[in-house]
Amino acid sequence: AQTVTQSQPEMSVQEAETVTLSCTYDTSENNYYLFWYKQPPSRQMILVIRQEAYKQQNATENRFSVNFQKAAKSFSLKISDSQLGDTAMYFCAFRYSGGGADGLTFGKGTHLIIQP
Amino acid sequence: NAGVTQTPKFQVLKTGQSMTLQCAQDMNHEYMSWYRQDPGMGLRLIHYSVGAGITDQGEVPNGYNVSRSTTEDFPLRLLSAAPSQTSVYFCASSRPGPHSPLHFGNGTRLTVT
Repeated sequence: AQTVTQSQPEMSVQEAETVTLSCTYDTSENNYYLFWYKQPPSRQMILVIRQEAYKQQNATENRFSVNFQKAAKSFSLKISDSQLGDTAMYFCAFRYSGGGADGLTFGKGTHLIIQP
Repeated sequence: NAGVTQTPKFQVLKTGQSMTLQCAQDMNHEYMSWYRQDPGMGLRLIHYSVGAGITDQGEVPNGYNVSRSTTEDFPLRLLSAAPSQTSVYFCASSRPGPHSPLHFGNGTRLTVT
């Protein structure tokens, strides 16, 4: 079974700063996908970024980028030029590429607060 | 674009009551799933379906039933509610393939007293 660990329950930074959220996972699989989801106070789950394990290049989406270290089983999210609207819970998630269960395994989340 | 629609948004039940959480998607997604979110626990998979007529258990299936008679709908049934089922419930859908991101509904906050 896979486990996903987010070691920072809460983080707070000033607007416009860069912040990095950490995520580590444990799996014996070689092919999988990793995701970061954002959950603002509205409760909606929003996909931020995804990474395919077989791709060495780190994924980027505008101000959001990841540092994917497969050997270390690490998948951190960097938010550049943080904005007040980035305040949310952020969840790291793992999804196995093979057959069988179709669900995501989520970490417990990091509550990110952007201060004005 | 409706996406994934969950009803109701809020519900209060008494212990032992039954109810069904509704979930419908209009994206013709084959895969649908239910998660529960508890404080400090992240989201945990309850049940999932890879297509009409096919369902399977996730990590925390006890106390919940599902069925998938159509591609669009995936209701979650609580046969006899317990306080431990107080949670926020999310329905999600996606296209086939692990690379496909999940599309989530807005959640149902359920309180069992």
